[in-house]
Amino acid sequence: QQQVKQSPQSLIVQKGGISIINCAYENTAFDYFPWYQQFPGKGPALLIAIRPDVSEKKEGRFTISFNKSAKQFSLHIMDSQPGDSATYFCAASPYNSNSGYALNFGKGTSLLVTP
Amino acid sequence: GAGVSQSPSNKVTEKGKDVELRCDPISGHTALYWYRQSLGQGLEFLIYFQGNSAPDKSGLPSDRFSAERTGGSVSTLTIQRTQQEDSAVYLCASSWTKYNEQFFGPGTRLTVL
Repeated sequence: QQQVKQSPQSLIVQKGGISIINCAYENTAFDYFPWYQQFPGKGPALLIAIRPDVSEKKEGRFTISFNKSAKQFSLHIMDSQPGDSATYFCAASPYNSNSGYALNFGKGTSLLVTP
Repeated sequence: GAGVSQSPSNKVTEKGKDVELRCDPISGHTALYWYRQSLGQGLEFLIYFQGNSAPDKSGLPSDRFSAERTGGSVSTLTIQRTQQEDSAVYLCASSWTKYNEQFFGPGTRLTVL
């Protein structure tokens, strides 16, 4: 059962545009929400993460918006560049003594930024 | 410093053979996680170690899968009597403590013929 639902599955954005990827969850025990970027043949790399006590976090061109009541969070990539073309995964995790912060991942969004 | 390393990077095996996948976490990281990435299932959590201890093995897909960690460092994931559905990329991640950012290795691509 997919605990984190991610959309869209794929996204094409022009260079300089804004890329927006959305995720939704049901488990109210989740308290850590990271976004990962993955290039072909590489492992996922953490982009930015948020905890539910804040509604927005910005790091450079990347912003997470978090809506606790709606149980939704999204990644905005401002001024998208061709080098941002990759697969993006949202994830969510509760802390559990048996599984640590084991991540529940969305299915991923394949982003293509055209020149 | 060095990141998380995994070996082999690619492994092709025949159905029914056993395979062993290795993860070298970042030095000093006490928490270690194994995940599996496949087209059908996406990224799924398999098992977590805090030090050498894995409190819960229920995330492992079947009893053909086992994992251990020794010396609070290297971990091995063993798959016995491999099946075609085991074909996937197996990813390892480590973090300073259970609360911190997870750093992923490049993965081992397992193909079972």
